[in-house]
Amino acid sequence: RKEVEQDPGPFNVPEGATVAFNCTYSNSASQSFFWYRQDCRKEPKLLMSVYSSGNEDGRFTAQLNRASQYISLLIRDSKLSDSATYLCVVIGGGYNKLIFGAGTRLAVHP
Amino acid sequence: DTGVSQDPRHKITKRGQNVTFRCDPISEHNRLYWYRQTLGQGPEFLTYFQNEAQLEKSRLLSDRFSAERPKGSFSTLEIQRTEQGDSAMYLCASSLMTGGVETQYFGPGTRLLVL
Repeated sequence: RKEVEQDPGPFNVPEGATVAFNCTYSNSASQSFFWYRQDCRKEPKLLMSVYSSGNEDGRFTAQLNRASQYISLLIRDSKLSDSATYLCVVIGGGYNKLIFGAGTRLAVHP
Repeated sequence: DTGVSQDPRHKITKRGQNVTFRCDPISEHNRLYWYRQTLGQGPEFLTYFQNEAQLEKSRLLSDRFSAERPKGSFSTLEIQRTEQGDSAMYLCASSLMTGGVETQYFGPGTRLLVL
């Protein structure tokens, strides 16, 4: 079983739609959680950290459920520019190395 | 540009050849990581440096791979006797721990194709 699992998608949504991505992780000792965004043939870029209390950054909301070992990302009012791959990331212990899921592809169409 | 830089951006080589990649981290970042990403997958951790010390290596890093960070600044990743399975994007990230929080910033990557 992979340490971080995500639905690969693709999610094809119209502009203005709300879309949610889910992610599960296997290491219950994981302490830090993130969502990264990766555009085609580019490097990953930090979108937001995920906190136990949930956090929001504009149109983006991230939630963490430690009991279920589950992380989510909600994007409201989707824009064409949101089209990318969204990577769920966990710090799995040992020198803060990032453990990535395989990513969920989002395509927002007009 | 004060971000993480990597060189070269692309490399095509024949099987059996050696290749070396360079990463220049953000100035004053003491932590440096190498990751590898294949098509359709997320990046996978390869190795980690704190200053010049290599503190962790993944089992993905076979004997053909070696990484150095001689002066605690730039780092190199060398692959000897390349194989077709080495074809991937090699990503470098650097970070600085501030107030207990660490954010890793990635370079643009080196895309390797082994023929």
